[in-house]
Parts: sequence; structure tokens; C-alpha cells
Amino acid sequence: DQQVKQNSPSLSVQEGRISILNCDYTNSMFDYFLWYKKYPAEGPTFLISISSIKDKNEDGRFTVFLNKSAKHLSLHIVPSQPGDSAVYFCAASAQGAQKLVFGQGTRLTINP
Amino acid sequence: DTGVSQDPRHKITKRGQNVTFRCDPISEHNRLYWYRQTLGQGPEFLTYFQNEAQLEKSRLLSDRFSAERPKGSFSTLEIQRTEQGDSAMYLCASSRRGNIYNEQFFGPGTRLTVL
Repeated sequence: DQQVKQNSPSLSVQEGRISILNCDYTNSMFDYFLWYKKYPAEGPTFLISISSIKDKNEDGRFTVFLNKSAKHLSLHIVPSQPGDSAVYFCAASAQGAQKLVFGQGTRLTINP
Repeated sequence: DTGVSQDPRHKITKRGQNVTFRCDPISEHNRLYWYRQTLGQGPEFLTYFQNEAQLEKSRLLSDRFSAERPKGSFSTLEIQRTEQGDSAMYLCASSRRGNIYNEQFFGPGTRLTVL
């Protein structure tokens, strides 16, 4: 039972344009959502998070949107840069729980 | 400085052998986690420590797996009688108590290959 799903295995975007990565979840107990970025041969690096009481959180070029009724969140990167090429994981956590539940990841490629 | 470190970075072993991995968390972090990641999947939770107490274990953690965190500092993950299905990246993460978003900081991982 995949509680967090990233249905796009890969995404290719031109440099300077907007990248939109999507994530769906099924567990209504999830309270916190996080995005991680992973380069080859490195561990995942925390990018941005959002609480279920908010619908948007912004940090520089990165914005996460949460639609609780649709159980959907998205990560927007504007403008996209070549260094953003990586695998992006969506993760969720229920209040009081310690484990993160991850999606399968989306490989983002930024083309010059 | 420092981030989470893991040792070794790569391990190749033959089926049936035992292996042990080490994780050193960020020094002021009292929570430590182990995850496993296979190709094309996201990390899957294995177990969690708060200080030296192991507070949660996934059903993925079979009897052949054991984790310890003596004195609440570094942690070890041992796999006994390895099987080919154990081949994966083993990730360690740590976090600070009171971190409401449950932001966890990951190490580079140990890639295990079982022949």
C-alpha cells in the first residue's frame, strides 16, 4: 500500500522555466509534508516542508502547495536551474509518528 | 562539522555472510533513523531510536536485522545471513527533539550488494 505516490518518474524542463513536481497521498492522518532532493551517491537533502494547517510555503525559488481536500501537494521551482537536476522525493509524517513515508521519486532534468 | 556520516560507503558480500554498518549522527541530535532504499523506490523506514532506546521497528526489519545505539551516540545495523534481496542502499538519518516538521538529515548511505 503506497501511501505517498509520485506518479511521474521523470520530468524534463528547460532552464529558466517553471518545474512542477506532484505528489499524492492517501493517509488523512499525515500532518507534515516534506520535499527532499537527492543527487547520485549522496543521501537525500531536505528542501522545504509544509504543515497541514497551511496551503502554501515559500522559500526562495521553491514553493510547496498543499491541497488537503484532494490529498495533493506540489513543488514549484522558479526559475529552474541546471543544478536543480536531481531526484525529488515527497515525504509525509503523521503527528506523533517519527517515521517519514516517501514517494517513489521524480527525476528532474533541467535542459540548458 | 558535521553532517551524518556512514561507514562503509559500499559493501559487497556473499550470500549467508553477516554485515554491520555504522552511522554517526549529527552530534546534538538525539533521534536516529534507519531507512532502506531499493532501485526506483523512495526510502523505506526500518527503525528509530530516541537516545539509546529503540522505539519503533518496521515489519520490514526481519529477525536477521538488528540495530543498536549504545549510549545514544552512534548506531550500528547488522544483517545476519544476508540474502540477495537485502541488496539495497541503507540510509541513516538524525533529527533533533522538538523538530515539529520531523525534518530529518540523511547520511550518504551504505550501498550493500549481496552476491
